Amino acid sequence: AQSVAQPEDQVNVAEGNPLTVKCTYSVSGNPYLFWYVQYPNRGLQFLLKYITGDNLVKGSYGFEAEFNKSQTSFHLKKPSALVSDSALYFCAVSAIGFQKLVFGTGTRLLVSP
Amino acid sequence: DTGVSQDPRHKITKRGQNVTFRCDPISEHNRLYWYRQTLGQGPEFLTYFQNEAQLEKSRLLSDRFSAERPKGSFSTLEIQRTEQGDSAMYLCASSPYASAEAFFGQGTRLTVV
Repeated sequence: AQSVAQPEDQVNVAEGNPLTVKCTYSVSGNPYLFWYVQYPNRGLQFLLKYITGDNLVKGSYGFEAEFNKSQTSFHLKKPSALVSDSALYFCAVSAIGFQKLVFGTGTRLLVSP
Repeated sequence: DTGVSQDPRHKITKRGQNVTFRCDPISEHNRLYWYRQTLGQGPEFLTYFQNEAQLEKSRLLSDRFSAERPKGSFSTLEIQRTEQGDSAMYLCASSPYASAEAFFGQGTRLTVV
């Protein structure tokens, strides 16, 4: 069975500083990894995905994530945080066949001015 | 097409009543998913359709829950004899093919009183 862990309930960062939101996963076989963001009163929005290929994946709004197979991690990063990045971030994993996404519990990112 | 549409956005119902939610996916997306999200948790998979075929159902989907996708277009999720534990946000998502990212609707928030 696949699972995702997001060890931090909340991450605080000052605007302009780099940010990292952590995610580790467990899955049989090759993982397919996703990051979504959820703003208040809005649906989940796709940020980026790793299917195969380059370990560094670039996505929307300047976000990127690095797939690390040995550490079973897929941390979300951004070089310079914006106040508008404040939201709830979810990591998700899918196994071969893409029957479903299994989500983590989410990490709230708070970017202060 | 502006995205995945869900109706209603909010539903308050008395315990024991039946409710039905509708999801209109993005046109020509052949995969449609239902998830449930409770406060402080990530979305949990309920079921998914490939065209009109329901291919997987979670254990979370008790016999009080039923989902349909007639003709492979819109989908409905019905909950019979609602219980207070059914109170949650019900999310619908669609994707064009297996490895593609899923696009989520804004959800239907169900409150059972």
